Amino acid sequence: SQQGEEDPQALSIQEGENATMNCSYKTSINNLQWYRQNSGRGLVHLILIRSNEREKHSGRLRVTLDTSKKSSSLLITASRAADTASYFCATDRGGGNKLTFGTGTQLKVEL
Amino acid sequence: GAVVSQHPSWVICKSGTSVKIECRSLDFQATTMFWYRQFPKQSLMLMATSNEGSKATYEQGVEKDKFLINHASLTLSTLTVTSAHPEDSSFYICSARNIRTGELFFGEGSRLTVL
Repeated sequence: SQQGEEDPQALSIQEGENATMNCSYKTSINNLQWYRQNSGRGLVHLILIRSNEREKHSGRLRVTLDTSKKSSSLLITASRAADTASYFCATDRGGGNKLTFGTGTQLKVEL
Repeated sequence: GAVVSQHPSWVICKSGTSVKIECRSLDFQATTMFWYRQFPKQSLMLMATSNEGSKATYEQGVEKDKFLINHASLTLSTLTVTSAHPEDSSFYICSARNIRTGELFFGEGSRLTVL
């Protein structure tokens, strides 16, 4: 299966700034999820947005989904140095958690 | 704390040997587990879906005889990399789906280095 594309591949910002990451995918989906991965570690689930939802919030996270454009964005507001990690979008076509991951965005938040 | 445990977290082996990686759900049962492979600074590639009590379903291009998967219980799936070669060196991550809630949890990954 083809993976989605994420941009930017890498993003470096100052603490306190907002970080926006984009994800595009190719097939119809049941839901789209965003994950975080610290270097050399496993994945942490951040947020899930269903195909019939357009926007979702969780704390400092805001996710949008545009199924007509097959794209999603993740916004992290008021970033912190601890937000430094790789962020991946993942699509679930059938609702069975068989995920297809995007290429990822490496976020670096500097003090 | 972690609800999906992978063991070992890292392993170094000689070329030609076989290595077994365990994925264990700690406080829930999982009929389905997934195995992914991740190269440095790259994304996760799904290798196979592990089904409790039946054969695993492999993704296109993944050799089932090379990557043996056994899911003998509702809390344990194992991935065995047979006759490992340096190109098999990678980060292997599993995920497990809670049979009751449908939630998906990822393990911390296992880094394999083949010399």
